[in-house]
Amino acid sequence: DAKTTQPPSMDCAEGRAANLPCNHSTISGNEYVYWYRQIHSQGPQYIIHGLKNNETNEMASLIITEDRKSSTLILPHATLRDTAVYYCIVRVDTGFQKLVFGTGTRLLVSP
Amino acid sequence: DARVTQTPRHKVTEMGQEVTMRCQPILGHNTVFWYRQTMMQGLELLAYFRNRAPLDDSGMPKDRFSAEMPDATLATLKIQPSEPRDSAVYFCASGLTGLGTQYFGPGTRLLVL
Repeated sequence: DAKTTQPPSMDCAEGRAANLPCNHSTISGNEYVYWYRQIHSQGPQYIIHGLKNNETNEMASLIITEDRKSSTLILPHATLRDTAVYYCIVRVDTGFQKLVFGTGTRLLVSP
Repeated sequence: DARVTQTPRHKVTEMGQEVTMRCQPILGHNTVFWYRQTMMQGLELLAYFRNRAPLDDSGMPKDRFSAEMPDATLATLKIQPSEPRDSAVYFCASGLTGLGTQYFGPGTRLLVL
């Protein structure tokens, strides 16, 4: 699986958009970009994933650059409950490809 | 709202004792994963089952850890004998074959004294 690079921490004001970047410059053509988050003391939670097109669901939006070497997770209106560690993972969606969690980005949403 | 359940949520035991952790995957999911999380190592995959068959347990210390799926609704992770270095949060996750969408349980917080 391609390696990802994320900033260790970010801050965001409540109600503002949180934009979390991820670099995956060695991503292969058949590798998806997945985002998970882990709120303190809870299990990781799936957020969203995509291959090459931008994706949106009820939780977030995922913007993948045209060359697919980086992506941005967007929380459009961050709340205090969005404070968590956010993990960007790339993997192939066939066979057994385990999720490899890096150190992620610790997002702190403040009032 | 289907969820992965894990029991017990907390466990304190003494070194040398056997520990059994249980997981009920989401109904219909055919893959089950066991992860361990510590401050030093982060989230590590211990074992993986597909259709109840173990496919990969390379992340698990073989001499003391064992993972099984007696049936499709129950996965177990046992540590015998337990050691202080096994203190961690153990997460179970379930999903469908090939997909990276895994659904995690709340975890079992294990403290071995």
